[in-house]
Amino acid sequence: GQQVMQIPQYQHVQEGEDFTTYCNSSTTLSNIQWYKQRPGGHPVFLIQLVKSGEVKKQKRLTFQFGEAKKNSSLHITATQTTDVGTYFCAGRSGNQFYFGTGTSLTVIP
Amino acid sequence: DAGVIQSPRHEVTEMGQEVTLRCKPISGHNSLFWYRQTMMRGLELLIYFNNNVPIDDSGMPEDRFSAKMPNASFSTLKIQPSEPRDSAVYFCASSFLGNQPQHFGDGTRLSIL
Repeated sequence: GQQVMQIPQYQHVQEGEDFTTYCNSSTTLSNIQWYKQRPGGHPVFLIQLVKSGEVKKQKRLTFQFGEAKKNSSLHITATQTTDVGTYFCAGRSGNQFYFGTGTSLTVIP
Repeated sequence: DAGVIQSPRHEVTEMGQEVTLRCKPISGHNSLFWYRQTMMRGLELLIYFNNNVPIDDSGMPEDRFSAKMPNASFSTLKIQPSEPRDSAVYFCASSFLGNQPQHFGDGTRLSIL
């Protein structure tokens, strides 16, 4: 069945290093959303991408939607301890909605 | 501006008991989602509603689980009878349209003993 996979599942980085998580879908998505969940918290919406090849930036975060609309990435430049959490992508295909498996980021001060 | 409100925040009960989780979506939102999160299985979509009508319930684990949305401002997720493997954090989320950003509640942490 349809799955949205994310890699890596876990990532430990030294503060100041960059971080990237990748999201891959088995089918074409109409849009992709990214969420961040802090430990003990709930997912919080970060951004939505709709167009093929779209790139959006939020300060140190860069989001990309693939040309085929089957994959996406989130890149964080110069990580900070406040970036700690689990990052989820979420995509829609028709009436189906899928959350990715998530990437848990640990930032070592 | 009230967000999505879930109750209770925590629930501990013995297996076999009926459990009812409640959700009040953000006013004006017409899509509502129920999720379950565990360490093993991550964040799973159980069911979602558009305009109070269930659209996709393929994630509902089995007949013990049922969800209702009697009106635009209230939804319930019921587990009867509950089992220890149902222990998880259950999130409710709402959005203005099905493909718009979802706003999550604080979740209900459910423990079935």
